[in-house]
Amino acid sequence: AQKVTQAQTEISVVEKEDVTLDCVYETRDTTYYLFWYKQPPSGELVFLIRRNSFDEQNEISGRYSWNFQKSTSSFNFTITASQVVDSAVYFCALSEARDSGYALNFGKGTSLLVTP
Amino acid sequence: DVKVTQSSRYLVKRTGEKVFLECVQDMDHENMFWYRQDPGLGLRLIYFSYDVKMKEKGDIPEGYSVSREKKERFSLILESASTNQTSMYLCASSLFVGSGTQYFGPGTRLLVL
Repeated sequence: AQKVTQAQTEISVVEKEDVTLDCVYETRDTTYYLFWYKQPPSGELVFLIRRNSFDEQNEISGRYSWNFQKSTSSFNFTITASQVVDSAVYFCALSEARDSGYALNFGKGTSLLVTP
Repeated sequence: DVKVTQSSRYLVKRTGEKVFLECVQDMDHENMFWYRQDPGLGLRLIYFSYDVKMKEKGDIPEGYSVSREKKERFSLILESASTNQTSMYLCASSLFVGSGTQYFGPGTRLLVL
């Protein structure tokens, strides 16, 4: 079975610190997709990024960056110069083939608290 | 922008009641999903549908059923609500199977007394 592990349950940082959220996945598929979502206190999951298994280029979007390494089955997410508004639960997910379609297999999430 | 809406943000029901949770998306997406989210357990897939009138069981379908009569609407039904179904319910939709990004609604917090 495919699996996503987010070993960090909770992280607390002070504003302006950099923080990295870890994600390790397991899959036997050669083609797969990885995702990161943010869930602020309001509850709605917000899509951040999608990566396919053939694209190992790192991605940067403003203060956010993602490091995808197939050799270690990791897809880590770094926030540079964190801000209070980054406080949320972050989920890593793997697109998983089922018998009749695809669905996302989510990690259990990392709760990030950024304090002033 | 993709818009996924859910009929209620908060719902309180009594044990044994039949409960309907409605989800509507406005982007003509083929695929729709229902998850529940519980502390320490993350998101777990209940049911999904990749076409009108089609449905597939997810990881925890027991106690739930679904209905997809129209492409834009996916309903989750609790035939006889129980206290262990108190949870946050999240609906999502995606255009493509597999690679498709799932877009989520705001969620429904259901309390079963």
